[in-house]
Amino acid sequence: GAGVSQSPSNKVTEKGKDVELRCDPISGHTALYWYRQSLGQGLEFLIYFQGNSAPDKSGLPSDRFSAERTGGSVSTLTIQRTQQEDSAVYLCASSLRGITGELFFGEGSRLTVL
Amino acid sequence: TQLLEQSPQFLSIQEGENLTVYCNSSSVFSSLQWYRQEPGEGPVLLVTVVTGGEVKKLKRLTFQFGDARKDSSLHITAAQTGDTGLYLCAGRTQGGSEKLVFGKGTKLTVNP
Repeated sequence: GAGVSQSPSNKVTEKGKDVELRCDPISGHTALYWYRQSLGQGLEFLIYFQGNSAPDKSGLPSDRFSAERTGGSVSTLTIQRTQQEDSAVYLCASSLRGITGELFFGEGSRLTVL
Repeated sequence: TQLLEQSPQFLSIQEGENLTVYCNSSSVFSSLQWYRQEPGEGPVLLVTVVTGGEVKKLKRLTFQFGDARKDSSLHITAAQTGDTGLYLCAGRTQGGSEKLVFGKGTKLTVNP
């Protein structure tokens, strides 16, 4: 498809397990963002990639969170030893570079930690 | 501390009414955007403003960027039920960073 694709769309896991969330951005978009959204709330910035490097990873909540991007395309957000407070919708967006760049969002991955 | 403060947090109005939502900060932004999000979907861009004092219109929606580039407002005229959604402002702070930070949003419900 032509849009941002995220998988899985829903993930239920047990506390303490690791999870991986995947984002496939729009082809040609050099910038990729990860955000977290709790129920009905705004978007909490997690990390931003320009190509394969992450100039700003200031939003990662703890060292249990990590992300990588390969080939300037697909990105994976990994959460180790999940906690109940990690439950949220994780949104990925991509954009062309620039301070006025529009972010195109995927539909998100809903994570529930039991 | 939230970089972008949005108000009101919730707004419920009748179809046909006018409304304004606000986005405020103590920081200066190189650009500011408004997004609209519907349940189960990602946010979708409505407008980008970059110049202090700029006013942009999108049908019944009017967006203003403050002269000092620290605040913005969204005014909707004659609201319709299809305007229901979460309205989010987002900005890039001055200094060249491409990190986009979002406010917590205004949840608008337009009742028939």
